[in-house]
Amino acid sequence: GAVVSQHPSRVICKSGTSVKIECRSLDFQATTMFWYRQFPKQSLMLMATSNEGSKATYEQGVEKDKFLINHASLTLSTLTVTSAHPEDSSFYICSANALGDTQYFGPGTRLTVL
Amino acid sequence: AQSVSQHNHHVILSEAASLELGCNYSYGGTVNLFWYVQYPGQHLQLLLKYFSGDPLVKGIKGFEAEFIKSKFSFNLRKPSVQWSDTAEYFCAVSAGGADGLTFGKGTHLIIQP
Repeated sequence: GAVVSQHPSRVICKSGTSVKIECRSLDFQATTMFWYRQFPKQSLMLMATSNEGSKATYEQGVEKDKFLINHASLTLSTLTVTSAHPEDSSFYICSANALGDTQYFGPGTRLTVL
Repeated sequence: AQSVSQHNHHVILSEAASLELGCNYSYGGTVNLFWYVQYPGQHLQLLLKYFSGDPLVKGIKGFEAEFIKSKFSFNLRKPSVQWSDTAEYFCAVSAGGADGLTFGKGTHLIIQP
């Protein structure tokens, strides 16, 4: 149980375009989902907290207009990177709260912006 | 704000050696503590967690961790490591509820056969 999926696993896009990443909890409902960013050989940094039916809460320094988060249902949250630039290239990982305060992580999405 | 410090960035051990990875956190209130593991090419998996109660927590694959409140520590241990334990290990804390996790920088563990 407590499986989280992400789609796509890899995406390459041109600078200036937008990219949408989906995060789904497959076997449980998650009122709260989280988005993290992981730079090569570094730790995960929390970007935002996504609550179903309400606006996301962004961490300090994360541009909410660049990283649009939508938590449309109890099993789906999306992250859209708008007007992507090469510096947005990274590994984006989502997680979902399940079974009481424990986060389960998706496999991540590697974004490369050319 | 919370912070997490992992003392060792790279650890190399031989099979059957004992393992202890250090983790210290900084936070003024009650925290939930976690250890996650990331095997090569795979996603983060929960090893163990501490919310309350017995400060000695047992997790999967023979791992355990001890919460020492006075030292703000949550060190991970395994008495005898295996080659398959080669991975990146992350200590993380949260204030609970709907709070996100604050991660340490990770420890890259290599087990030599």
